Amino acid sequence: ETGVTQSPTHLIKTRGQQVTLRCSSQSGHNTVSWYQQALGQGPQFIFQYYREEENGRGNFPPRFSGLQFPNYSSELNVNALELDDSALYLCASSLGGASPYEQYFGPGTRLTVT
Amino acid sequence: EDKVVQSPLSLVVHEGDTVTLNCSYEVTNFRSLLWYKQEKKAPTFLFMLTSSGIEKKSGRLSSILDKKELFSILNITATQTGDSAIYLCRGNTPLVFGKGTRLSVIA
Repeated sequence: ETGVTQSPTHLIKTRGQQVTLRCSSQSGHNTVSWYQQALGQGPQFIFQYYREEENGRGNFPPRFSGLQFPNYSSELNVNALELDDSALYLCASSLGGASPYEQYFGPGTRLTVT
Repeated sequence: EDKVVQSPLSLVVHEGDTVTLNCSYEVTNFRSLLWYKQEKKAPTFLFMLTSSGIEKKSGRLSSILDKKELFSILNITATQTGDSAIYLCRGNTPLVFGKGTRLSVIA
């Protein structure tokens, strides 16, 4: 196991609702990235937080937002849920900086929007 | 647009076979290419490649990067049913994943 935890494991929401997903990073890691993985697809990069600041964002609308806390844990918030938001949401933690780095993934949250 | 393309998308082999998975990439500010194995949910890290021509090896798995031709391969020798998974390739900057190769190893 990687030491990265996510909650909840599964979630069912209705279209139009809002959801908050949580991630606790591996000890010592200051960077958290969030990904959306639809069935049969590779993970799609949503955004990344480094030391509480967003420092990279993929092609996702503003209703996808996030936070990173001083202990480097993180939240992903999605407003006005749409059916296409149904997916596995993965967070990954790493040490940031300029060098290439490995990311360690959590087990994911399976979100179903009905 | 930055992209990572993996092939084949799926593959079925028998135990004991050797397989080669391919990853080609076009990313700006390339720093490294990473391979992951995804069995159920969390992708698990396999290799990070930053230099051309240097093979990385872990047991029956090995990988190599060609920065001139912009591709990498992941080899698995003497496959076992436990190797059945989705294998993902990822560019480092930006954080772009391929769609993955679904490998099924049958006894």
